[in-house]
Amino acid sequence: DTGVSQDPRHKITKRGQNVTFRCDPISEHNRLYWYRQTLGQGPEFLTYFQNEAQLEKSRLLSDRFSAERPKGSFSTLEIQRTEQGDSAMYLCASSLEAGGAHEQFFGPGTRLTVL
Amino acid sequence: SQKIEQNSEALNIQEGKTATLTCNYTNYSPAYLQWYRQDPGRGPVFLLLIRENEKEKRKERLKVTFDTTLKQSLFHITASQPADSATYLCALERGSQGNLIFGKGTKLSVKP
Repeated sequence: DTGVSQDPRHKITKRGQNVTFRCDPISEHNRLYWYRQTLGQGPEFLTYFQNEAQLEKSRLLSDRFSAERPKGSFSTLEIQRTEQGDSAMYLCASSLEAGGAHEQFFGPGTRLTVL
Repeated sequence: SQKIEQNSEALNIQEGKTATLTCNYTNYSPAYLQWYRQDPGRGPVFLLLIRENEKEKRKERLKVTFDTTLKQSLFHITASQPADSATYLCALERGSQGNLIFGKGTKLSVKP
């Protein structure tokens, strides 16, 4: 399967714990995005990378959230000191920046439940 | 800031009819507007993209229109089938970075 993959698919944690999610984009894609989606809402942009550089972060991304993309390949999203309000589906997407339109390919998401 | 409204949370239609979904935005006209399909528990899947200088785009049974004067896009599924039942998301690109602003989506149910 050459699509975007995310791991784990589900994560249940207790409030205050740290969690880390991984995203493996489509191999030739140079852009990688993280979104968060809650029930009944569309995905909300969190941050994006072009190759290994993190070029933009949403105001939604508090300082408890950090994302990395070492070597411009896979990416990790870490949430420190989780809160119940962090419960959501975390989606990763990738695209090929080649000038013009940016169709994004999404992974299956990681569903986080904070108890 | 840019806001996106999709006309209804849910749309129920009979198999074989045309489904029409609406996406309205409030601020600047984006360079591109995209439509995605999302099934429960899965990530969105890209369907169609339309540029600001295009009035209409088609792909098989799907058609998208883009009216920058009305600040509106319409998404049509002709000859709808129960397998078309899903949530459909409208998304605008913000700036040149490619990150998307999504609407809340419209949940389409096609009854046999």
